[in-house]
Amino acid sequence: SAVISQKPSRDICQRGTSLTIQCQVDSQVTMMFWYRQQPGQSLTLIATANQGSEATYESGFVIDKFPISRPNLTFSTLTVSNMSPEDSSIYLCSVVWGGSGNTIYFGEGSWLTVV
Amino acid sequence: LAKTTQPISMDSYEGQEVNITCSHNNIATNDYITWYQQFPSQGPRFIIQGYKTKVTNEVASLFIPADRKSSTLSLPRVSLSDTAVYYCLVGDYTGKLIFGQGTTLQVKP
Repeated sequence: SAVISQKPSRDICQRGTSLTIQCQVDSQVTMMFWYRQQPGQSLTLIATANQGSEATYESGFVIDKFPISRPNLTFSTLTVSNMSPEDSSIYLCSVVWGGSGNTIYFGEGSWLTVV
Repeated sequence: LAKTTQPISMDSYEGQEVNITCSHNNIATNDYITWYQQFPSQGPRFIIQGYKTKVTNEVASLFIPADRKSSTLSLPRVSLSDTAVYYCLVGDYTGKLIFGQGTTLQVKP
């Protein structure tokens, strides 16, 4: 299976600041995605991180708020900009990994608390 | 993307077999069925995946009837550490998943 590392694992952020979350995969993957999980809720897809081009955002998420980079096939970043308490969530990176069959794996998540 | 329906919660006791059924009436021909386990403050962990009939691995079995409109995750002899939220998802490997609320399994001693 794919090994996905996220940094930071946890952080407390001040209102109005921005934080960049990193996602590193131990092998090259074509597809990478970012999800958000608000407290007590299920996961919601934010965007598809496209290598070499702009990310594709889902309804309700915009690039100005959640800029994403994907410089190569093993790495992506998600920035949460101008944070407010409503952005307090777990942010998760996921990848589609080939191996013996295409399976979607998730990182351990980055737990952000905005105060 | 097909959506799924599963029970909000289930209770069980240690050592029992637990079966969680998921409904996915609008599953597409090229959709696979995948189950994840999630503990609090952690990312979802892949449990099992299948397309049709039965799939078994070291932790669970997945039963899929011929019409594929439902599936059942079977956890043999659960322990307290199996207390978690279990998600059933269908998708075609585009990587875009629609998560429902999942099933919160509470295993009691």
